[in-house]
Amino acid sequence: EDQVTQSPEALRLQEGESSSLNCSYTVSGLRGLFWYRQDPGKGPEFLFTLYSAGEEKEKERLKATLTKKESFLHITAPKPEDSATYLCAVQVWAGGTSYGKLTFGQGTILTVHP
Amino acid sequence: DVKVTQSSRYLVKRTGEKVFLECVQDMDHENMFWYRQDPGLGLRLIYFSYDVKMKEKGDIPEGYSVSREKKERFSLILESASTNQTSMYLCASSPTGTGSTDTQYFGPGTRLTVL
Repeated sequence: EDQVTQSPEALRLQEGESSSLNCSYTVSGLRGLFWYRQDPGKGPEFLFTLYSAGEEKEKERLKATLTKKESFLHITAPKPEDSATYLCAVQVWAGGTSYGKLTFGQGTILTVHP
Repeated sequence: DVKVTQSSRYLVKRTGEKVFLECVQDMDHENMFWYRQDPGLGLRLIYFSYDVKMKEKGDIPEGYSVSREKKERFSLILESASTNQTSMYLCASSPTGTGSTDTQYFGPGTRLTVL
């Protein structure tokens, strides 16, 4: 069974205090790992997709990295507007085709204080 | 920009009522999904559809059904709503393809309360 575990469950940072969120996964064959941001009461917003170990992607203060067992979302000099829940999800190969099914972790609630 | 819309942001229904949640996407995506999101349980897949009139059960299909008569529209149906179906319901769509093209894009969600 595919499993995705995110840690920590909650993270409180001061503005400017860099840190990382972790997403560990156990899957039969990884096709892609996705990061989403979710604000309270809203749907998840797509951030990144990573496909192979060693891959990195950046967007503003966020940088996502991938190894064969886990992914990290690094937040550099965060601002209060970065406060949100960050979700990690994996997509696995489904035979010769993929219908895009995702298995989600439970998320990390990030709070950045001014 | 990809746009996924859901018919209601908030919905209050009574136990036993039949409930319809509608989702529409404007990007000609083949795949559409319904999730529910609950505190401590994360997002769980209820049903998905990879083509018109095609559907597949997700991880928690019990108590739900779906309908996809047109490519852009995917409906979630609660045949007889129960209090344990109180939740946030999220619809998503994605294209079929390889590489970065099969990202799922989510709607704003419907907060359903069953009394």
